[in-house]
Parts: sequence; structure tokens; C-alpha cells
Amino acid sequence: NAGVTQTPKFQVLKTGQSMTLQCAQDMNHEYMSWYRQDPGMGLRLIHYSVGAGITDQGEVPNGYNVSRSTTEDFPLRLLSAAPSQTSVYFCASSLAFGDWNEQFFGPGTRLTVL
Amino acid sequence: KQEVTQIPAALSVPEGENLVLNCSFTDSAIYNLQWFRQDPGKGLTSLLLIQSSQREQTSGRLNASLDKSSGRSTLYIAASQPGDSATYLCAVNNAGNMLTFGGGTRLMVKP
Repeated sequence: NAGVTQTPKFQVLKTGQSMTLQCAQDMNHEYMSWYRQDPGMGLRLIHYSVGAGITDQGEVPNGYNVSRSTTEDFPLRLLSAAPSQTSVYFCASSLAFGDWNEQFFGPGTRLTVL
Repeated sequence: KQEVTQIPAALSVPEGENLVLNCSFTDSAIYNLQWFRQDPGKGLTSLLLIQSSQREQTSGRLNASLDKSSGRSTLYIAASQPGDSATYLCAVNNAGNMLTFGGGTRLMVKP
């Protein structure tokens, strides 16, 4: 199994540009989520999905959109990038939405918005 | 709102020492707690998961304990090695699978 994969590894955008961060998992996990990691702020939840067709907001959802059309993929969209979105983005997955599940993280995407 | 604190923020020890990393949380109504390792520029690697009903978990030289009532967890690393150098993060799950992370402890093990 490849586990949780993310593309691209690095991206530089200009303010106002749009892009999609890709996340995929091959473990047949129902639950997927996106976090951002910033110095001094730790990791914060952006959006999550408990299964195909179902998404919800986390702690810092503004400026980001998600959709979940398949179990395997959970892309994160920035519609109009802002410098405040400069961060490292991590995708995570776990078997199901429940209290007992271990979560697995991808390698991250380092995004810089100029 | 759940808050997670990790002390110390940074730690430097000589190789071979046994060490303890601390994690505290403000809301004891958690489902589980997970310890991760993060190498510079890399993703998070899961080390140990402790369910709320458990008191400790062990994996090799790592032992994690959980005291829900006092809002504390510790990660014990035995016989530390330079390869253990990394940032260690604890995360608590108190709402489904939504994790609240601590700020991490940056560990340096010197040969």
C-alpha cells in the first residue's frame, strides 16, 4: 500500500491564483481530513469527510473548498490564494469516523503564496 | 475548547539516556490520544495510539501512558539514539476523529 499520498510536494502561487491540492489513499479509509501546519500555531483542522459525498468544516475552513466524490480522493481547493494561506498542508485518513481509529498522515504539500 | 500543551518545547540529551516527553490537555473527555513523530520537512508518522480506556501502550523502546483524570500523557523513550532526533507531537481526539495537536517537543539526541 502507498498509504496517504499528496501532490504536489511544493507549490508557489501568486495572490489571487487558484489551485487544487491532491490527496489520495489506498487503504479504503472512510474518514479523510486536511490540516495546515504553521509555526507557533501547530496543526489545525481545515475540513474533513466521513465518507464519499459528505464533508464538513473544521477549525479554519475559510478560503478553502473540498469535495469527496470517491472514497480514495479528497482534494483541497484554494479559489483565490492569499499570503495568509502560506503553510504546510497535510492530508490524513482513518478507517472510519469513530473514536478509536488511528490516523495516518501524508507527506505534506508546502505552499507559498506571494 | 480543548488545549494541548507539550513540555519541554525542546530537549537535547546525550545518546543512551532514557527520557520523558510530556503532554497535557485541558478537557479530559477524550476518546484517545496519539503520539506522532515528525522529521524536518516530512509528514507525521504515528508512533502510539492510546484509547481512553487504556493506561499505556508500548512499541519497542517507546512507552506512552495516559492519565485522563489529570489530563496528562507521557512518552517514555528508552536508551535514546541519534536516530530518535525529531519533533514529537501529541494529539487528542475528543470529537470523532478531529485531532487537537500540541505544539511539539523538538528532540536532539547527541552521539
